[in-house]
Amino acid sequence: DAKTTQPNSMESNEEEPVHLPCNHSTISGTDYIHWYRQLPSQGPEYVIHGLTSNVNNRMASLAIAEDRKSSTLILHRATLRDAAVYYCIRIAGGSNYKLTFGKGTLLTVNP
Amino acid sequence: GAGVSQSPRYKVAKRGQDVALRCDPISGHVSLFWYQQALGQGPEFLTYFQNEAQLDKSGLPSDRFFAERPEGSVSTLKIQRTQQEDSAVYLCASSPRAGGPAGELFFGEGSRLTVL
Repeated sequence: DAKTTQPNSMESNEEEPVHLPCNHSTISGTDYIHWYRQLPSQGPEYVIHGLTSNVNNRMASLAIAEDRKSSTLILHRATLRDAAVYYCIRIAGGSNYKLTFGKGTLLTVNP
Repeated sequence: GAGVSQSPRYKVAKRGQDVALRCDPISGHVSLFWYQQALGQGPEFLTYFQNEAQLDKSGLPSDRFFAERPEGSVSTLKIQRTQQEDSAVYLCASSPRAGGPAGELFFGEGSRLTVL
């Protein structure tokens, strides 16, 4: 079971950084960490993914702990448009193509 | 189109009716997935196609659910004799890659099915 643990909800203020944590203590060496987010009434949207090293893209940064048992999605400056459910997903290496979403973290951004 | 397109966006069916939900993936995408999302829950995997081949249908809840992708592009999810527990948002996703895991899936906005 590709399980991750996230807080049910978090709150942030606009223009401030947001750190969304995820625990995946049973991760194996070939498992990837993917983050998706889902805005209200929309399908999930890919945010970022990584294996071992920290990753940056135009949307966010992903910091992966050295032991890989946890990771943090970092939004550098939250906007109102970032209010969404954020899903941290562990995907086994090889040919595993299924995303197991869980309930995610509901991020509220205050103006 | 530029993204994954699903139709209808909303469907209301009476219990016992058959429904068909359509997905137009991004042109050229090899992989196509269907997910089911109940209210307040994360999406759950239903089935996976690589081109026209249905490689995994382990997530389909019952034999009332059937999916096809006959020409390796458009896909249809059919639900026969709908039940109230089938009420959910049905999400389609596509990917230019075969299989996984690295790389992003592109999701449509979903088809919301309400069974009365």
